[in-house]
Order: sequence, then structure tokens, then C-alpha cells
Amino acid sequence: GAGVSQSPSNKVTEKGKDVELRCDPISGHTALYWYRQSLGQGLEFLIYFQGNSAPDKSGLPSDRFSAERTGGSVSTLTIQRTQQEDSAVYLCASSLVTGKSGELFFGEGSRLTVL
Amino acid sequence: QQQVKQSPQSLIVQKGGISIINCAYENTAFDYFPWYQQFPGKGPALLIAIRPDVSEKKEGRFTISFNKSAKQFSLHIMDSQPGDSATYFCAAKVGGGSQGNLIFGKGTKLSVKP
Repeated sequence: GAGVSQSPSNKVTEKGKDVELRCDPISGHTALYWYRQSLGQGLEFLIYFQGNSAPDKSGLPSDRFSAERTGGSVSTLTIQRTQQEDSAVYLCASSLVTGKSGELFFGEGSRLTVL
Repeated sequence: QQQVKQSPQSLIVQKGGISIINCAYENTAFDYFPWYQQFPGKGPALLIAIRPDVSEKKEGRFTISFNKSAKQFSLHIMDSQPGDSATYFCAAKVGGGSQGNLIFGKGTKLSVKP
């Protein structure tokens, strides 16, 4: 596809369950970002992958959150033992490492609801 | 230091009017300031961006004004249209390339009334 693809688009889960959210970045984009969007809270940075470098995990809110990026392409964000406060839209974005503008291209997000 | 403060939280403007959204930052190392536009159910998309070596950048009806000494920047939408109704996010970054992450403001929901 031409854009960033995220799945699932909607996920409803019960408190305490684990969830996995997937991101397919734009082909050729070596930088990949995860953000969380909660109502009234803007876009909260979670984690950033750049090529083969160690990821910047400084935004992960707790050790229940983790992410990996396999083969420099697809990324999975995992939330273990979900809590109600994890309910949000999780946005993935990618960008070109050589891009002067640093423009981020976002997917449409995965809406997570924890009951 | 890493925050970008955005105001107002919401804004209602009549068609044809000027929409103004303001942002302020503390980290003087920030050197790239983009604005993103988000429609409901969609991801944010880059609208316009500025670097601190200029005080103003205009693209069509959209203008960024940048005040380096005050550490503030703003988005002006001239001749606002109902199709401009969206949430707008300011952001800031250290380094203009793709290194590092963008720090976003909390967003402004703009409604343009016909």
C-alpha cells in the first residue's frame, strides 16, 4: 500500500488481557514511531525506531508496554495486562531517514478500548 | 523543558474569518516546528512547517509566525472554510531531519461555521 497501515483498526479487550497492535510503515521508510492519542491529551510519544539503532523507549509509560520492529519494517506494539487507562488511539508513523523535513506519515490508528 | 503548550483547546470561527492557534516552548534546542492537521478518524498529516531562521512562512491560506525570542509560534488560517474544521497540532523537534521524535501540543479543535 501507499500509506502506513495499522491493524486492527478497533480492538475491544477485557482488563488484564494482552493486546498486540501492528504497523506496516511506508516501504523504504527507516524511521518508525508509535504515539498514543487520548481524549484531550494530544499525541503522546511512546517509542521510536531508526534503522538498526537501539530504539528510543523513553516515552513508554510502564513496563507493560513494549514494541519491536522486525526486519526493519513491520512493528508490533504489545500491551500486557491491559488497564482501563490504556484505552486510547494508538498511532504509528514512519519517515524517511534522509528526509530534510522530517515529515511523519501517520496511519489511521488502532482504537483500543479496555473494559 | 520538553513540553509544547498549545492554546486554545477549541476554537469556533465564522466562514471567512481568521483562525489563530498559538504554541509556546521552553527547549531552546528545538529547531523544527511543524503543524499537523487531523480530521476525525484519520491520522495527522503535515500542514506546514518552519525553522527558526525565518519569522514567517506562508503556504496558501496558512501562515506560521515564529517569534524566537519569545519562544512562541502560531498558525494563522486566513479566509477560514468549513473544510478547515479539524484538530490542529503544533509540534517541535531537535534537528530538522528524521532523527529524534516530535513533541506535540495537546491540539486545538477548530470548527468553522458556514
